[in-house]
Amino acid sequence: KQEVTQIPAALSVPEGENLVLNCSFTDSAIYNLQWFRQDPGKGLTSLLLIQSSQREQTSGRLNASLDKSSGRSTLYIAASQPGDSATYLCAVFLAYGQNFVFGPGTRLSVLP
Amino acid sequence: DTEVTQTPKHLVMGMTNKKSLKCEQHMGHRAMYWYKQKAKKPPELMFVYSYEKLSINESVPSRFSPECPNSSLLNLHLHALQPEDSALYLCASSPDRGQEVRVEQYFGPGTRLTVT
Repeated sequence: KQEVTQIPAALSVPEGENLVLNCSFTDSAIYNLQWFRQDPGKGLTSLLLIQSSQREQTSGRLNASLDKSSGRSTLYIAASQPGDSATYLCAVFLAYGQNFVFGPGTRLSVLP
Repeated sequence: DTEVTQTPKHLVMGMTNKKSLKCEQHMGHRAMYWYKQKAKKPPELMFVYSYEKLSINESVPSRFSPECPNSSLLNLHLHALQPEDSALYLCASSPDRGQEVRVEQYFGPGTRLTVT
């Protein structure tokens, strides 16, 4: 059974720092991996999608990498801002079936 | 249009009530999902519909009854719920893997459900 973990569980940084969020999964048989952002009490906003054949994707200050063989993905946020404060979740879409498995999330606070 | 809409935004219901949650998308996606999310936890998958057919039911109690009347609509019928069912209910959609390679999931804003 696929299990997804995220480290750290929570992170507090001063504004302007570059930071890395980690996502690990136990079964490399994935179709893709998606990073989401969730503000308290709201739905999930898709940030980046990496296909299983890709190594990385970039959008603005965000860069996500994928190493499928080792079961790891990282989300790099450059020059963090207070508006980046949210919970960040990764999810893998399984290579079989039609379902996503989520990690527990990393709660990020960026202090002004 | 990359929007998934959900109604209502908030719902308070008693344990003997019957209510329904509604979800709609117009992106041509043929896979739709219901998730339940408790505070400070990740979303838990409840149901998946693929081409309007129920393809995954994650052992959800029968007091939750999903329905997919057409490719754009997804309902969740609620009956005789318990206080522990109070949560944020999220709907999502994506292309079915048979539709295209890029299976990206889009979420609605959720319905905050309180069972009294």
